[in-house]
Amino acid sequence: AQSVTQLGSHVSVSEGALVLLRCNYSSSVPPYLFWYVQYPNQGLQLLLKYTSAATLVKGINGFEAEFKKSETSFHLTKPSAHMSDAAEYFCAVSGGGGFKTIFGAGTRLFVKA
Amino acid sequence: GAVVSQHPSWVICKSGTSVKIECRSLDFQATTMFWYRQFPKQSLMLMATSNEGSKATYEQGVEKDKFLINHASLTLSTLTVTSAHPEDSSFYICSARGGLAGGPANTGELFFGEGSRLTVL
Repeated sequence: AQSVTQLGSHVSVSEGALVLLRCNYSSSVPPYLFWYVQYPNQGLQLLLKYTSAATLVKGINGFEAEFKKSETSFHLTKPSAHMSDAAEYFCAVSGGGGFKTIFGAGTRLFVKA
Repeated sequence: GAVVSQHPSWVICKSGTSVKIECRSLDFQATTMFWYRQFPKQSLMLMATSNEGSKATYEQGVEKDKFLINHASLTLSTLTVTSAHPEDSSFYICSARGGLAGGPANTGELFFGEGSRLTVL
C-alpha cells in the first residue's frame, strides 16, 4: 500500500524567499515519486520525478527535491520564489508497473510581492 | 513528447442531457488512462481506470452507469456524463500512463490533459 502526506494545505512566502513544500510518503515497494503543479483551470504539469537514480532531483522552473529514504520524505524546494510560482502543488507516489499513482491533498503556494 | 489533449476545455449543458469528454494521447500509445474529478480547492479524486479494449475499472462510490468510459483505441478514451445534473458540475481531468514500446516508460508518471470544466444548469 502507498500513501502521501503533504504537510500544510497553504504555504505563503515573499517573492525572493525560499520555497519549501513538504511531502512524506509510505510505500511497500521502492517508490517512484513526483511533484506536479496545477494552475487554475488547468491539468497537472510534471515538475520533477524521482525514479531510483540520483536522490537530488532537479526539475523545471528552478525547483528541486531530495529523496530521503530514512525520512520517507520528498520535499520540494526553490531558492527564490517568483510570483508566477503561485499555484497548487501535488506530491504523488507510485510503485511503477501496475501500481496506481497516489496523490497528496495538495499545497497551495501563495507568493507575496 | 508524451502529450495528452483533452476536449472540450469548457462545456455548459442543461440538466438531463449527456456530455462527452475526450482524452487523447497525441504522440504515444496508452493502454491505460485515468479519469479524475476535482472539486474546488481539493485534490484529484480518481473515478476510474480506463483500459484499452476492456471495461473500465471504477472506484468505489462512482456510478458506472452515470459516468460511461470507453477506451476504444490506444490513443483515445472518452468519458460520458449521462443525464447530467447540477451536482455533476466539476472539473474533470484525464491522464495517461506510458509503458508501451516506443513511448514513455511506465514509472507511474502520468501525463495529464488540460482538464474539462463541466457546468450543468
